Amino acid sequence: GDSVTQMEGPVTLSEEAFLTINCTYTATGYPSLFWYVQYPGEGLQLLLKATKADDKGSNKGFEATYRKETTSFHLEKGSVQVSDSAVYFCALMKKGNQFYFGTGTSLTVIP
Amino acid sequence: NAGVMQNPRHLVRRRGQEARLRCSPMKGHSHVYWYRQLPEEGLKFMVYLQKENIIDESGMPKERFSAEFPKEGPSILRIQQVVRGDSAAYFCASSPEGWETQYFGPGTRLLVL
Repeated sequence: GDSVTQMEGPVTLSEEAFLTINCTYTATGYPSLFWYVQYPGEGLQLLLKATKADDKGSNKGFEATYRKETTSFHLEKGSVQVSDSAVYFCALMKKGNQFYFGTGTSLTVIP
Repeated sequence: NAGVMQNPRHLVRRRGQEARLRCSPMKGHSHVYWYRQLPEEGLKFMVYLQKENIIDESGMPKERFSAEFPKEGPSILRIQQVVRGDSAAYFCASSPEGWETQYFGPGTRLLVL
């Protein structure tokens, strides 16, 4: 069945470090791919998305490219800030079908 | 435009009681989804509803759990005779069309004593 596998955390980085959170997926057809972010005590917020192969989603300095050949959608940011500390969820969705979420990766950025 | 609203934000129940969780979707959204997040886990889909219809309830336990989205008012997730294993965060999301990008509420954190 369809699924998402995320890099396990927790991840701890110093401010201004480079961030990569790996995400790979298994799905038939052509899913849309998403990254959501969850700050402590809050709901999930859409961070970025890509709807077809080779699309790049970007927002707030975060980027992810939909790679069909490697079935991946890795999240990257060139220089993290303390305010980026949160849990990040990778997800996939196919039209007419439900969302599948990864288990989440906790990121802590220290000054 | 107000986002997805959920209440209560925190709910404490004793074993055997009923829990009612409410969700008001974003304005203009007629599709509502409920998810459960257990500690240290990702979100698991429970049920998808449109006004007065359950579209997909494949993720919802067959017993004790029910959901509705009436013509007027919020969507309700109801858990009867709660057990400790029901303790979790329950998130509601909405979208303008079915299975499109979903927008999440802040969640209801249920604690069963």
